Amino acid sequence: DTAVSQTPKYLVTQMGNDKSIKCEQNLGHDTMYWYKQDSKKFLKIMFSYNNKELIINETVPNRFSPKSPDKAHLNLHINSLELGDSAVYFCASSQGTGGNIQYFGAGTRLSVL
Amino acid sequence: AQSVTQPDIHITVSEGASLELRCNYSYGATPYLFWYVQSPGQGLQLLLKYFSGDTLVQGIKGFEAEFKRSQSSFNLRKPSVHWSDAAEYFCAVSYNNNDMRFGAGTRLTVKP
Repeated sequence: DTAVSQTPKYLVTQMGNDKSIKCEQNLGHDTMYWYKQDSKKFLKIMFSYNNKELIINETVPNRFSPKSPDKAHLNLHINSLELGDSAVYFCASSQGTGGNIQYFGAGTRLSVL
Repeated sequence: AQSVTQPDIHITVSEGASLELRCNYSYGATPYLFWYVQSPGQGLQLLLKYFSGDTLVQGIKGFEAEFKRSQSSFNLRKPSVHWSDAAEYFCAVSYNNNDMRFGAGTRLTVKP
């Protein structure tokens, strides 16, 4: 059983399109995250949700909109995709706040053409 | 500003040799400290963590790390590297919130 699962694993699309990435965790965690990993492998947090409430929202274009229908899901919707959005996006989850361990999904490789 | 530094972008070691990957952080207080490993095309897997107590922590796959407050460091070590250890290694810190900051990563290549 995959603890944190993301779909799709690969996503290739044209500039200007709107796309969504889904994330689900079956660990019973109350906090979920989205990270972006660029071509140089640098990982940067984008959003964090605790009990469906947004608690971290880094400087991310408002074309990116996270949606948390329940504690087990945190989806990422991206409008008007740009070339610079090409990256690997990772979902993660943890239980509680503070320095709790985050468990990562396998990533979604987004390529914008 | 809070930051995590991994000074080595790429390290190559021979199989069976010892390994040390460096990590320094710049926070006001002792943060929570982590090492993650990312194999090619995979997500991140936790190797070990330090919250408090014994400054030498043991992790999975034979890795260990030592927290040194005086040097603001949390270096990762392994006495004998295996070819399967070739991957990207990330040091991360977290304080009293959910915000986890990652270093830029160190790519480990293992020579036969």
